[in-house]
Amino acid sequence: DAGITQSPRHKVTETGTPVTLRCHQTENHRYMYWYRQDPGHGLRLIHYSYGVKDTDKGEVSDGYSVSRSKTEDFLLTLESATSSQTSVYFCAISPLLAGGQETQYFGPGTRLLVL
Amino acid sequence: QKEVEQDPGPLSVPEGAIVSLNCTYSNSAFQYFMWYRQYSRKGPELLMYTYSSGNKEDGRFTAQVDKSSKYISLFIRDSQPSDSATYLCAMSDQTGANNLFFGTGTRLTVIP
Repeated sequence: DAGITQSPRHKVTETGTPVTLRCHQTENHRYMYWYRQDPGHGLRLIHYSYGVKDTDKGEVSDGYSVSRSKTEDFLLTLESATSSQTSVYFCAISPLLAGGQETQYFGPGTRLLVL
Repeated sequence: QKEVEQDPGPLSVPEGAIVSLNCTYSNSAFQYFMWYRQYSRKGPELLMYTYSSGNKEDGRFTAQVDKSSKYISLFIRDSQPSDSATYLCAMSDQTGANNLFFGTGTRLTVIP
């Protein structure tokens, strides 16, 4: 999984509780992403980061926040979890060299169940 | 209309068959095309990466891009049970890593 770890790998939580997922990379890549994967929707971008403390919203960012205080770590927080946020969450990284398109490499995923 | 359309399958083939997986897209600005393979309960892994039109071959896998038809394909020759997975196409329109659009994936089963 290209030097990417996600924690926890599985989590069950209750509606209304805050949840934080962690993505850690050892590749020193600049770009990091959070996706969710749901049946019939494929992978949808939640937030991404293009550097330490530099983040931006993706397609489905409502209800989620992110932080990146170090190159290697990218945190995804569900402020107040809802059942609609039950999903599999993937972190991805990309070197994105200047002037060139690079693809993304994915972590193993976190399965989140919100009851 | 979604940016990228992909038949979800499922697709079942006998071992040794040639498999054809396809995606269509609507944005003529897409230039970078990727195929990912995702095993059950795992993260997607990059399989093939092509730029613009044409073919690219890697072992038993061939990726084909037809920009005039807005159509990409992945061919798997001599399919093996270990190829059983979900295959996702992805594409991008510029040198911006935040602009990757995914298909929903096609689930493939290769029967021994």
